[in-house]
Amino acid sequence: GAVVSQHPSWVICKSGTSVKIECRSLDFQATTMFWYRQFPKQSLMLMATSNEGSKATYEQGVEKDKFLINHASLTLSTLTVTSAHPEDSSFYICSASTGFDTGELFFGEGSRLTVL
Amino acid sequence: AQKITQTQPGMFVQEKEAVTLDCTYDTSDPSYGLFWYKQPSSGEMIFLIYQGSYDQQNATEGRYSLNFQKARKSANLVISASQLGDSAMYFCAMRSLMDTGRRALTFGSGTRLQVQP
Repeated sequence: GAVVSQHPSWVICKSGTSVKIECRSLDFQATTMFWYRQFPKQSLMLMATSNEGSKATYEQGVEKDKFLINHASLTLSTLTVTSAHPEDSSFYICSASTGFDTGELFFGEGSRLTVL
Repeated sequence: AQKITQTQPGMFVQEKEAVTLDCTYDTSDPSYGLFWYKQPSSGEMIFLIYQGSYDQQNATEGRYSLNFQKARKSANLVISASQLGDSAMYFCAMRSLMDTGRRALTFGSGTRLQVQP
């Protein structure tokens, strides 16, 4: 089946630094990628939708200047958490779509961010 | 807008028994897909089963079956012959099939299943 790889799987950083998380589709072209955030023992909340070659669409309440999303190619989307603070500590997970209705959406392994 | 409701925060089941995880949904879209995912403690999202709104038959995948009742807007997951490895968080999700440019999943709050030996 299709594989989506996310890197890094976990990261610890100091408050005020920026962290980049990569999401790659390994064996298919992902026209659309989605970024989710999950706090402990909670559900996945959609942060933004990125389409290759265009600006990301952010969900209400998500700061676009805080969470920079770049979808520069059909196989790579990046999420950069800028000037991270402890409240940004969370589990971030991406999913990818080919753009066709194949039913399943493919998820990366997730990235656990801890901001000290 | 879409909404997924999972009313069981936690469930216990004995090994080898069947268990049903409840899911109800609300949407105004005439065409949609319903999903179940398993999330173990490692965090990865494992796809279990998919049901399209126009599918006439209930979906089945091995020990997983989806009890789809469209009129009641419910999509319950049935796990037969539970195994210890089934202990995890289970999420019901849906997405619209109407907008090709935006197919994000909307997730329910999840149900934590614990299989007891």
